[in-house]
Amino acid sequence: GAVVSQHPSWVICKSGTSVKIECRSLDFQATTMFWYRQFPKQSLMLMATSNEGSKATYEQGVEKDKFLINHASLTLSTLTVTSAHPEDSSFYICSARGDSSGNTIYFGEGSWLTVV
Amino acid sequence: GQQVMQIPQYQHVQEGEDFTTYCNSSTTLSNIQWYKQRPGGHPVFLIQLVKSGEVKKQKRLTFQFGEAKKNSSLHITATQTTDVGTYFCADNQAGTALIFGKGTTLSVSS
Repeated sequence: GAVVSQHPSWVICKSGTSVKIECRSLDFQATTMFWYRQFPKQSLMLMATSNEGSKATYEQGVEKDKFLINHASLTLSTLTVTSAHPEDSSFYICSARGDSSGNTIYFGEGSWLTVV
Repeated sequence: GQQVMQIPQYQHVQEGEDFTTYCNSSTTLSNIQWYKQRPGGHPVFLIQLVKSGEVKKQKRLTFQFGEAKKNSSLHITATQTTDVGTYFCADNQAGTALIFGKGTTLSVSS
């Protein structure tokens, strides 16, 4: 079946630095990918919708200048957390719709970000 | 915007007891998906319900979709310690992102 690969799985960075997380669809083309954030003991909250070749659509309350999303190809979307702060520490996970009907959704393995 | 409510937030049971989590929406759900997330892991797809009144079973798990497609439930019979985790329902509308409920965290003591 379709696979979505996310990298890195774990990352620790210093406050003020930037971190890039990659989300790849390995055996299908994904024109749309979704980025979620999950704080401990909370649900997955949609951050943005990544559209190949165009600007991402951000959910209300998500800073687009802080969470840069690039979807330059049909198999890769990246999320860059710029000038990271400890409050950005969270679990970030991407997903993509894997077939023409759009009903099948595949999730990456997620990325644990810790900002120290 | 649309919200998907899920109750209870937490549930603790003794091994062998049954467990049920409920998912409700004020608007009609398109397709409902259920996920399980183990502590420290990522959500794992369990099942999708599409039709009004649909009931699906996976071993000890029974999934139901309400007649009005505004609610769904997941029932686990005779829980085991391996059932521990957080169960999420999510509304799956074609072309858009999944909208997740807040999840029900299940703990099981042996």
